Amino acid sequence: GAVVSQHPSRVICKSGTSVKIECRSLDFQATTMFWYRQFPKQSLMLMATSNEGSKATYEQGVEKDKFLINHASLTLSTLTVTSAHPEDSSFYICSASQQGNYGYTFGSGTRLTVV
Amino acid sequence: GNSVTQMEGPVTLSEEAFLTINCTYTATGYPSLFWYVQYPGEGLQLLLKATKADDKGSNKGFEATYRKETTSFHLEKGSVQVSDSAVYFCALSPFGNEKLTFGTGTRLTIIP
Repeated sequence: GAVVSQHPSRVICKSGTSVKIECRSLDFQATTMFWYRQFPKQSLMLMATSNEGSKATYEQGVEKDKFLINHASLTLSTLTVTSAHPEDSSFYICSASQQGNYGYTFGSGTRLTVV
Repeated sequence: GNSVTQMEGPVTLSEEAFLTINCTYTATGYPSLFWYVQYPGEGLQLLLKATKADDKGSNKGFEATYRKETTSFHLEKGSVQVSDSAVYFCALSPFGNEKLTFGTGTRLTIIP
């Protein structure tokens, strides 16, 4: 079946640095990628939707200059948390879908801790 | 807006017990409803889905029925196994829109 590889699974970074999270579709072309974050005991919140070759669409309240999303190819999307702060510590998870295939494949998530 | 309210966990059951995880939703129109499962260290996997009222989704012994009158999509399994230990997420997607709205997730632990 469809597989999405997300890494790193865990990352600890210092406040003020940037962190890049990668999401790769291994055996299919992901025309659309979704990025979510999850705070403890809360829902997965959609941050942005990206389509290959175009700018990401961010949900209301998500800072696009802080959470840079790049979807340069049909198999790779990246989320860069710029100038990270402790309040950015969270669980980030991506999902990918194929055009015409109504289904989503999720990555295993990234636990980000900013110290 | 759309929202999903899910039974808070954690839930701990003995093997072979009956499982119910409640899920209710708020949405306009006729959304599609999903249950996803996340095993330790893995991504979310689709467990089952239903796309219209009275549909029953089923997989791996789990079932959920789309109840429009009560706006619910409760997950049930008649006899749980240790391997069912995971986090379960209820979700909806508005008709014609790919965006998923998730519940908070319910951690299920099955003890032998």
